[in-house]
Amino acid sequence: AAGVIQSPRHLIKEKRETATLKCYPIPRHDTVYWYQQGPGQDPQFLISFYEKMQSDKGSIPDRFSAQQFSDYHSELNMSSLELGDSALYFCASSLEKGMAFFGQGTRLTVV
Amino acid sequence: DAKTTQPPSMDCAEGRAANLPCNHSTISGNEYVYWYRQIHSQGPQYIIHGLKNNETNEMASLIITEDRKSSTLILPHATLRDTAVYYCIVRAYTGNQFYFGTGTSLTVIP
Repeated sequence: AAGVIQSPRHLIKEKRETATLKCYPIPRHDTVYWYQQGPGQDPQFLISFYEKMQSDKGSIPDRFSAQQFSDYHSELNMSSLELGDSALYFCASSLEKGMAFFGQGTRLTVV
Repeated sequence: DAKTTQPPSMDCAEGRAANLPCNHSTISGNEYVYWYRQIHSQGPQYIIHGLKNNETNEMASLIITEDRKSSTLILPHATLRDTAVYYCIVRAYTGNQFYFGTGTSLTVIP
């Protein structure tokens, strides 16, 4: 069965650079969620989209933005990167309000 | 969404049942209980969810108390591959977010 695809799997950026993470949800899923997980921490909810509209907003910094496109894939844009942004970033998708399925994550390292 | 409380860590002998408790005393009527697990930096994996009835699937069983203020996830025959952090999440069916708490780190011992 198709799963949530995230790209890239690993990314290394320098401070003050920008990064774009991509998420391809399970086909026919209409909701996408983004999470950030720092070293030794639990996943923190950032933002979600339902039918291409922002749905809920969590602890997403102002330097980050995200959108969901017409094909339902989503991108998380991160600007002015800081060392503290180094983390695993997970995307999840669900159909309507059902259970969410997570991708394998993107490991972002800011140096 | 209601807050959940889980023990930080538990051990379980291989082949025995693992019973992971979760308190969610402020749960409201339209909130479901979800369980996910995360195996070392992999994406969280859905296990099971329920509203008020006990649920069972191929991975686990979920027992929800009658007052819905607590629940227990049961892995009937734990294997070494079940070593993971288990998260209990309470989420309204209308919500578009899952808030992870601190979870229980389960170690299955040979």
